[in-house]
Parts: sequence; structure tokens; C-alpha cells
Amino acid sequence: GESVGLHLPTLSVQEGDNSIINCAYSNSASDYFIWYKQESGKGPQFIIDIRSNMDKRQGQRVTVLLNKTVKHLSLQIAATQPGDSAVYFCAEAGENTPLVFGKGTRLSVIA
Amino acid sequence: ETGVTQTPRHLVMGMTNKKSLKCEQHLGHNAMYWYKQSAKKPLELMFVYNFKEQTENNSVPSRFSPECPNSSHLFLHLHTLQPEDSALYLCASSQVRGVGSPLHFGNGTRLTVT
Repeated sequence: GESVGLHLPTLSVQEGDNSIINCAYSNSASDYFIWYKQESGKGPQFIIDIRSNMDKRQGQRVTVLLNKTVKHLSLQIAATQPGDSAVYFCAEAGENTPLVFGKGTRLSVIA
Repeated sequence: ETGVTQTPRHLVMGMTNKKSLKCEQHLGHNAMYWYKQSAKKPLELMFVYNFKEQTENNSVPSRFSPECPNSSHLFLHLHTLQPEDSALYLCASSQVRGVGSPLHFGNGTRLTVT
């Protein structure tokens, strides 16, 4: 991804296994959260979002979990595929604060 | 096709040059953004426009000058840049500026300042 140079946490997963990518957010006033995927040479791509009045939301092969008590967000990817290899960013926003991105996690899928 | 198109994809410029980055969105959105993505920092918000009005300038140096002539187009004018300005510049748009309206990004302009 375009964050080469940053010391990114890396998650290596066997193809077909489930992946869990974690994110700790800092602002207790944040009430909107998004996960993005960024492949090499491309811009971030929207995956899934969740509002703070929910603790779980599911998409196609992806699930986002939100734990407001400990300010933790996770992205679960089912049956991980080689095409899922990318850098994944969480982002948080509030009514009066713009979207703030985390540093990202690099997911490597082992075929 | 992301719905947000940025040109050029790559740009090399000297510190005394003046250049402009262009962004166009085909999604019917009303908010547009410039972000900077460098090798050593997370995505940094630079500017936000909502319904053509600039709503945020995130302490960006004046050598970066945004322009939003309409809701579909966004420019970033560059002059007398520094080598540390080398980065990937990403444009994004959203339905409106606010919670619940996810950003859609272009593929960026890779800028190198020599």
C-alpha cells in the first residue's frame, strides 16, 4: 500500500482462514466508524461503516464489531482470499470532528 | 473506475515550479476533500469543501491553495513546494460533509518535489 515506510502492524493469514483486524480509537465522542482497504497504487476503498448506536454490522464476507466501552473496533474477513491482501485503515468521526484515520494494518494472505 | 478521477497520476516538479492537481467526481456528491498520504504518517486531512464552500483548512501551509469551482471539481494549486511535500495526494468526495456519509477516494497523484 501507499503507507510503505510506516511501521505498520502486519497480519499474515492462510488463504481460506478468517482474518481479524483490530483498531483502537481515541475519541470517546466519535460516533461514526469506517473501514477502508488500500491496495498498492490505489486510493482507499470503502468497505463498511457503523454508527455508534450499533455494535455489529455485516457485509459481504466482512463484519465490523464496535465496543464503545473500550473504544475498540474490529474488522472480520471470512474465508480470506489473495485479493484481500492490502493495507486496512479504520477511521473515526464525530458530529463536529472530521474523519481521522488510523495508521493501518497490512494484511498478507498466504496462498 | 472509482467515481473520483485524479490527474495527473504522477507529477515531478522543482521547488520553484507552479503546478495544479485536478480532481473530478461523477457521484453527485456535495463535499470534496484533499488528503495527504506520506511514507511516515497516516492520512492527513488538508481541506474540506461542502457545497463549494471551504469549511476546513487543517493548518496547511499557504504554498498549497485549493479551489472548488463547483461541486464536481476540486483543484490543488502548488507553488514553491519543499522536498518534504513529496507524497501521495488523495482527493475524496462524500454525499455531504458529516457523519454517516462515507468518503470515496480517487487513486491519487504521486507528487515528487526535487
